[in-house]
Amino acid sequence: GAVVSQHPSRVICKSGTSVKIECRSLDFQATTMFWYRQFPKQSLMLMATSNEGSKATYEQGVEKDKFLINHASLTLSTLTVTSAHPEDSSFYICSAKTGSNQPQHFGDGTRLSIL
Amino acid sequence: GESVGLHLPTLSVQEGDNSIINCAYSNSASDYFIWYKQESGKGPQFIIDIRSNMDKRQGQRVTVLLNKTVKHLSLQIAATQPGDSAVYFCAENNAGNMLTFGGGTRLMVKP
Repeated sequence: GAVVSQHPSRVICKSGTSVKIECRSLDFQATTMFWYRQFPKQSLMLMATSNEGSKATYEQGVEKDKFLINHASLTLSTLTVTSAHPEDSSFYICSAKTGSNQPQHFGDGTRLSIL
Repeated sequence: GESVGLHLPTLSVQEGDNSIINCAYSNSASDYFIWYKQESGKGPQFIIDIRSNMDKRQGQRVTVLLNKTVKHLSLQIAATQPGDSAVYFCAENNAGNMLTFGGGTRLMVKP
């Protein structure tokens, strides 16, 4: 149980393109999902908390107009990187919880490469 | 701010030996801790967790120890196997149910 699926796993696109990443909880409902960014050989940095039916909560320094989050259902959250540039290239990972005070379960990440 | 950190960035062990990965935390109010394993190109995989009302918890070949006095957390892996090679992160569950990750330790298992 507690499977989180992320799609796509890899994206390569030109600068200026907007890219949408999907995060789905396959066998449970998640009112809250989380989006992280990870640079090579570094730890995970929380970008935002995605709340079903309401606005996402962004961490300090994360541009909400750059990284659009939509959590329209209890099993799906999307992250859209708008007008992506090479500095946005990174590994983006989502997670979800089965309940409060339970561990977060992670998707397998999306490798985004902007040329 | 308060954070979770690790002592050793890389740990190399012989196959079959036991591994110990350490983590220090600074938020004394934290009451829930999690160890994750991350293989190359994948998301973190849950290994084991422990709540602050416990000092030891065992799983299959893994044991987590929590010392609240010195704010130290460790992950012990028994009979380490090549498949255990990965980066291991400790994480601290904050108020608001958000995770703060440590810097990670790379475990390398030598055959």
